[in-house]
Amino acid sequence: NAGVTQTPKFRVLKTGQSMTLLCAQDMNHEYMYWYRQDPGMGLRLIHYSVGEGTTAKGEVPDGYNVSRLKKQNFLLGLESAAPSQTSVYFCASTHSGDTGELFFGEGSRLTVL
Amino acid sequence: GQNIDQPTEMTATEGAIVQINCTYQTSGFNGLFWYQQHAGEAPTFLSYNVLDGLEEKGRFSSFLSRSKGYSYLLLKELQMKDSASYLCAVTDSNYQLIWGAGTKLIIKP
Repeated sequence: NAGVTQTPKFRVLKTGQSMTLLCAQDMNHEYMYWYRQDPGMGLRLIHYSVGEGTTAKGEVPDGYNVSRLKKQNFLLGLESAAPSQTSVYFCASTHSGDTGELFFGEGSRLTVL
Repeated sequence: GQNIDQPTEMTATEGAIVQINCTYQTSGFNGLFWYQQHAGEAPTFLSYNVLDGLEEKGRFSSFLSRSKGYSYLLLKELQMKDSASYLCAVTDSNYQLIWGAGTKLIIKP
């Protein structure tokens, strides 16, 4: 089993450029999440999804959009990248939204110049 | 506001025991998680506590006191591979996970 796979692993963008991060899971999980991790701070939730076709805002959604057209995929888009979006992005999934263990992807390191 | 506090960094010796504390102030409580994260890697699940008391899993144990808003992760017989960050996270009344900033554990020979 691949588990949770994120692409790309690394990306450098210029301010104003757009990009999409792809997250794919093969565990048939309903719940999927996008987090960002910055030095000295806890993981912060950007957006999440409780099932195919549904999305919801997390703690820091501004500047990001998401889509969950298929159960196994959760896409994170940056329409106009800003240097403040330089971060490591983690996708995670779980079978249970409250008590379930989160399974994380390997992370995507994004630098915005 | 909601807050999770953990020490930023701890140092311990190979073979010894270390206790990593986590205190939380959240709107409600529906469980507490500990995750391990090696540098440059993804977090991986270690433990889940929802009731008071100690949960033991091999060399790792996790304790919870809901009345005190307190948990600790106990690592015994430390090995060099235990050098990592340890993340405490609490599920609040809305079933949202609130994450601490993590404790970087350095193991010395």
